[in-house]
Amino acid sequence: SQQGEEDPQALSIQEGENATMNCSYKTSINNLQWYRQNSGRGLVHLILIRSNEREKHSGRLRVTLDTSKKSSSLLITASRAADTASYFCATQAAGNKLTFGGGTRVLVKP
Amino acid sequence: DAGVIQSPRHEVTEMGQEVTLRCKPISGHNSLFWYRQTMMRGLELLIYFNNNVPIDDSGMPEDRFSAKMPNASFSTLKIQPSEPRDSAVYFCASSPTGLLPVNKEQYFGPGTRLTVT
Repeated sequence: SQQGEEDPQALSIQEGENATMNCSYKTSINNLQWYRQNSGRGLVHLILIRSNEREKHSGRLRVTLDTSKKSSSLLITASRAADTASYFCATQAAGNKLTFGGGTRVLVKP
Repeated sequence: DAGVIQSPRHEVTEMGQEVTLRCKPISGHNSLFWYRQTMMRGLELLIYFNNNVPIDDSGMPEDRFSAKMPNASFSTLKIQPSEPRDSAVYFCASSPTGLLPVNKEQYFGPGTRLTVT
C-alpha cells in the first residue's frame, strides 16, 4: 500500500515558473524524503526532512512538513527544462524502509 | 564511486524461464533494497536486507520470487518461473551505514527493464 500520495499527478509549467507539489501520508513518520526520476533512470535523492523540522531548503528546492496535517510540499523555484521529471515523496517510519507515493510528473516547457 | 550497479540493464525472456537480476551496492552501505516499478502499481518495495540479512520480505509477490545477499557487495533477485505479469523495471538501492537506520537516504541503481513474453 502507498503511504504517500502526491498531488497533482501531473503538472505542466513554463520555464522560469515555480512548481509546487504536495504529498500526504497516513501514519507517524521519522522523516519524509523527496526523490526525482528522469525518464528511464533510477531515482535520485533530493532532500530529507525530519519529523521535527518544518522547512528545509536545498538550492532551488524548498520542502515543508506539517506533521499535524500529515502533509509535505516540494517547491521548485525558477524551473528549468532540465527539471522535467517525476517527483516522488517517500516516508520512513520504523527501521529504514521507505514507502513511496505514486509520484507527480512535471513537464517544464522551454 | 560508481554508484549502485545493476545487471543486466535489459532482459527479455519467455514465460516459464528463470530470470536472475544482479546488484552491487555502494561500498560501505549496509542496507540493500529491491523495488519493482510498473505504471499500474507504482514503486513497490519487494525486500530489503540489513548487513546481508533479509529484514522484510513482505513485498515479495509470491514464492516464484527469491532474493539473496551472500555478501556485502552482491545481491540477486530471482524469478522462477517468470510470467508476463512480472514485466517491470526492477531497481536495487542501497543506504549508508550508521548507528541507527533511520534518517538515511537511498541510492538507486539504473534499474533492469524486464520483459516476459
